[in-house]
This record gives sequence, structure tokens and C-alpha cells, in this order.
Amino acid sequence: DTGVSQNPRHKITKRGQNVTFRCDPISEHNRLYWYRQTLGQGPEFLTYFQNEAQLEKSRLLSDRFSAERPKGSFSTLEIQRTEQGDSAMYLCASSLAGTPEQYFGPGTRLTVT
Amino acid sequence: GENVEQHPSTLSVQEGDSAVIKCTYSDSASNYFPWYKQELGKRPQLIIDIRSNVGEKKDQRIAVTLNKTAKHFSLHITETQPEDSAVYFCAASTRTGTASKLTFGTGTRLQVTL
Repeated sequence: DTGVSQNPRHKITKRGQNVTFRCDPISEHNRLYWYRQTLGQGPEFLTYFQNEAQLEKSRLLSDRFSAERPKGSFSTLEIQRTEQGDSAMYLCASSLAGTPEQYFGPGTRLTVT
Repeated sequence: GENVEQHPSTLSVQEGDSAVIKCTYSDSASNYFPWYKQELGKRPQLIIDIRSNVGEKKDQRIAVTLNKTAKHFSLHITETQPEDSAVYFCAASTRTGTASKLTFGTGTRLQVTL
């Protein structure tokens, strides 16, 4: 499968715990985006990378959230001290430099109890 | 920042009829408008897109129109089939630096009935 992949697909955690998600973009894509989607809403932009550089972060991304893309390939999104309001689908997308089309992964559904 | 509004929130059509979903955007600098289809529990799938230098684009049963002056764009699906049932999202691209973050509408749940 040459599409965007994300792991895990589902994560249930208790409030206050830390969680980390992984995204593997399409292999030749150098741009990688994270979005969050809550029930009944469209995806909301969180942050994006061009290669290993994190170029923008949304105000939605509180200081409990951190994202990395250390070698310009896969990316991780970590949420520290999770809160119930963090429950959502976390989507990753990738695109090729010079083209606007973004292709999404299947998402990681986070449930904070 | 950009704001995208989408209507209707739900749409039910009979198989074979046409479906139209409309979106408006606020940022006149937006220049790329994709549409995504999301089936239950699955990833958003890019189905068609249009750029600001084009007024209309068609791909088989799907077409998108853009009116830059009015800042609205629409998705048209003809000869609807049950497999078209899904949630459809419009989006607008707000260019920041060298990348294009997307601002999405709230989605339209399309139900195609037999």
C-alpha cells in the first residue's frame, strides 16, 4: 500500500496519560500535515512540516501537543497530560512540493476516559 | 483567517437524481478548492478539486463550479448511486509560506435512496 498510513488506528487512554501517534506519508511527499476531526465536523488544521521543518502551528495546538518529523519522513504527534476534550480523530495528510493536493491517512481515533 | 461555510448539512436524494452541495469562503486570497468524500470510519478521499483560474471542472458524474466574485463553489453529482452515500467536505486553501493548509466546511451527509 503506497498511501498514507497511521498507527495506531485506535487509542483509548485515561485522562492525564501521554499518547503518541505515528504517520507515514506517501514516500515521495515532502509535506506532511496533521489535522484533528471531531464528530460531525470537518478536519481542523493543527500543524505542517516541509521535510523536517515544522513551518506552522495552529492556535489549536496547545503546549501539551508536540509534533516532530526528525528525518523528513515519518512524523509523530504527542499529546501530554491528555484531557477528555482531546478525544477526536487525528488525521495525517501528505502532499508533494509544488502541488496542492493533500492525501489523507485513515486516522487515529483517540478516546480519553 | 479563512472561514468556509457549507450547505446543506444533510441531503437525501433518490437514486438517479442529482445532488448539489454549496460552499462559501471568506478569504479572497484562497486559490484552491478541493472536495473530499468520507465514508463512515474511513479516510477523507479527494474526489475533485478546482483552482481559482478555472470556473468549472468535470470528472464523469462529478463537477465543481467556482464563482470567485461571489466567493462560492459547488459540487454537483449527477445520476447518483447508492455508493455515493457519504459525508462530503469542501475546503479552501489558505496559502501560508510554501504550503497550503486546508480550511474545511462542516460537511454534508448525502443519502442516496433506492
